[in-house]
Amino acid sequence: DTAVSQTPKYLVTQMGNDKSIKCEQNLGHDTMYWYKQDSKKFLKIMFSYNNKELIINETVPNRFSPKSPDKAHLNLHINSLELGDSAVYFCASSQDLVGAEFFGPGTRLTVL
Amino acid sequence: KQEVTQIPAALSVPEGENLVLNCSFTDSAIYNLQWFRQDPGKGLTSLLLIQSSQREQTSGRLNASLDKSSGRSTLYIAASQPGDSATYLCLCDMRFGAGTRLTVKP
Repeated sequence: DTAVSQTPKYLVTQMGNDKSIKCEQNLGHDTMYWYKQDSKKFLKIMFSYNNKELIINETVPNRFSPKSPDKAHLNLHINSLELGDSAVYFCASSQDLVGAEFFGPGTRLTVL
Repeated sequence: KQEVTQIPAALSVPEGENLVLNCSFTDSAIYNLQWFRQDPGKGLTSLLLIQSSQREQTSGRLNASLDKSSGRSTLYIAASQPGDSATYLCLCDMRFGAGTRLTVKP
């Protein structure tokens, strides 16, 4: 009974393709996040959603579009993939904006 | 915008030593601060969460403190073990520090 799950775990694709990463949490949390961990292992917030509403967008290119069909899901769609998009993407959730964050296992994206 | 800094970037200690990892943040009006560990190639394991109204939290050999006025948090690890070797990350209001890579030598 995984709390925060992501699919796929690994994603290898060519430049220019479009891909999606899915995230689901079964904790009943209201807030979900996407973080990117780059090749230098630095973790950076990309998006934050609260009750399906976007509340944070950290100067992420328009090629990245999060979609929250309901409170339990926050998917990340990436258009026209570039080499620099290669990273590990982590999804997380919390009860609210001040609660502890629970992280998914990560999705390792490799763009060739 | 909150900025989070972790010092040192790397630390190597012999087994059994007590150690302190530091995290500083620029905006004292925080909601909470959370410490994680990350093993190479793995995900994030939550260690301790300190709410804004709290001063410290303890779990086993770990103790985390929070001083909002000085913009600092410390993670104290007692009697370190080789299994503690990992990167320790500080998360403050959705902002991560760069981490401290800890190596505990047998």
